[in-house]
Amino acid sequence: DARVTQTPRHKVTEMGQEVTMRCQPILGHNTVFWYRQTMMQGLELLAYFRNRAPLDDSGMPKDRFSAEMPDATLATLKIQPSEPRDSAVYFCASGRPGTDPESEQYFGPGTRLTVT
Amino acid sequence: GQNIDQPTEMTATEGAIVQINCTYQTSGFNGLFWYQQHAGEAPTFLSYNVLDGLEEKGRFSSFLSRSKGYSYLLLKELQMKDSASYLCAVRGLPPSNTGKLIFGQGTTLQVKP
Repeated sequence: DARVTQTPRHKVTEMGQEVTMRCQPILGHNTVFWYRQTMMQGLELLAYFRNRAPLDDSGMPKDRFSAEMPDATLATLKIQPSEPRDSAVYFCASGRPGTDPESEQYFGPGTRLTVT
Repeated sequence: GQNIDQPTEMTATEGAIVQINCTYQTSGFNGLFWYQQHAGEAPTFLSYNVLDGLEEKGRFSSFLSRSKGYSYLLLKELQMKDSASYLCAVRGLPPSNTGKLIFGQGTTLQVKP
């Protein structure tokens, strides 16, 4: 049963510290998405990769957030420096491109980040 | 711009039928998705509509009217485990929006005995 994996599952850090979240997409999927979910804003897209190339990062605060795909099996999301308002659950999702039903996104379990 | 509206909360009784509505305004349309999210868990895919009409999948059905910018998710024979948040998401048209989903705020459904 193929799944998206994310690490860590939980992270508590102090304001100003660097946070790195990792995601392993499902093997064979070539699109990767990073989302942030909060009670106030709901689920927001931060970044979107296809074939490891960034296609859309318009939802990501550029001054402190960065997203990369060093290889096809790893996506990273970094926050430096972190702030309390970054506290949220960060989901990674992967999928196949196209316009058919099979192009739905498969979500990982999420990283719950708390910045104090 | 894009805007997706769905009710914040709904309550229904076990065994009943509930309809969760979603209206959207987008600059382009390339499919509408429904996801289910239990508290503390990741969203999971429920259904997909790109053409007008009803798609049925067991106890769940989803309807789309593109001309009205409207969709609904119909849940039949409600079970307690259906208590969750239901997210409506719209996918835009290429080249600027291929694969990108814009999510609504979600509808929290509470199923009561």
